[in-house]
Amino acid sequence: AQSVAQPEDQVNVAEGNPLTVKCTYSVSGNPYLFWYVQYPNRGLQFLLKYITGDNLVKGSYGFEAEFNKSQTSFHLKKPSALVSDSALYFCAVREIIPGAGSYQLTFGKGTKLSVIP
Amino acid sequence: GAGVSQSPSNKVTEKGKDVELRCDPISGHTALYWYRQSLGQGLEFLIYFQGNSAPDKSGLPSDRFSAERTGGSVSTLTIQRTQQEDSAVYLCASSLKTGSGEQYFGPGTRLTVT
Repeated sequence: AQSVAQPEDQVNVAEGNPLTVKCTYSVSGNPYLFWYVQYPNRGLQFLLKYITGDNLVKGSYGFEAEFNKSQTSFHLKKPSALVSDSALYFCAVREIIPGAGSYQLTFGKGTKLSVIP
Repeated sequence: GAGVSQSPSNKVTEKGKDVELRCDPISGHTALYWYRQSLGQGLEFLIYFQGNSAPDKSGLPSDRFSAERTGGSVSTLTIQRTQQEDSAVYLCASSLKTGSGEQYFGPGTRLTVT
């Protein structure tokens, strides 16, 4: 079974500083990995994904994430945080099973990011 | 283009009543998902539809929950005899079947059972 862990319920960072939101995953085979962001009273918005290829993935709003297979991690990063980045961030995984049709994502519990002016 | 839409945006109901939540996926998306998001929790998978295949109902928490998808498009999630623990935000998402299966989410329906 696939699973995702986001070890930090909350991350606080000063505006202009780099930010990291951590995610580790567990799958039997190869993963597809995703980051979503949820602003207050809004649905989830897709940020970026790792499918294959380059381990460093760039996404929306200046975010990037690094896939590390040996550490089974997919941490979200941004070089310089903005106050407007304050939101709830979710990591998700889908296990690639050849021939299987399910596209079910398993989500982490979310990390609340607060960027302090 | 139009994204995933859900209605109503908010629903307050009395314990024991039935409720129906609606989802309109993105046109052309063959896969549709329902999730539940409770306060302080992540997203809990409920049910998945893919084209004309039998739905994956493995996430439905009890037999009070059911969902339909008519004509491969609009979906309705029905909760019968609602309980207070059903209070949550119900999110719908859709995706293309091909490739990475990246999901696009609607704004959700906030259900409050009193």
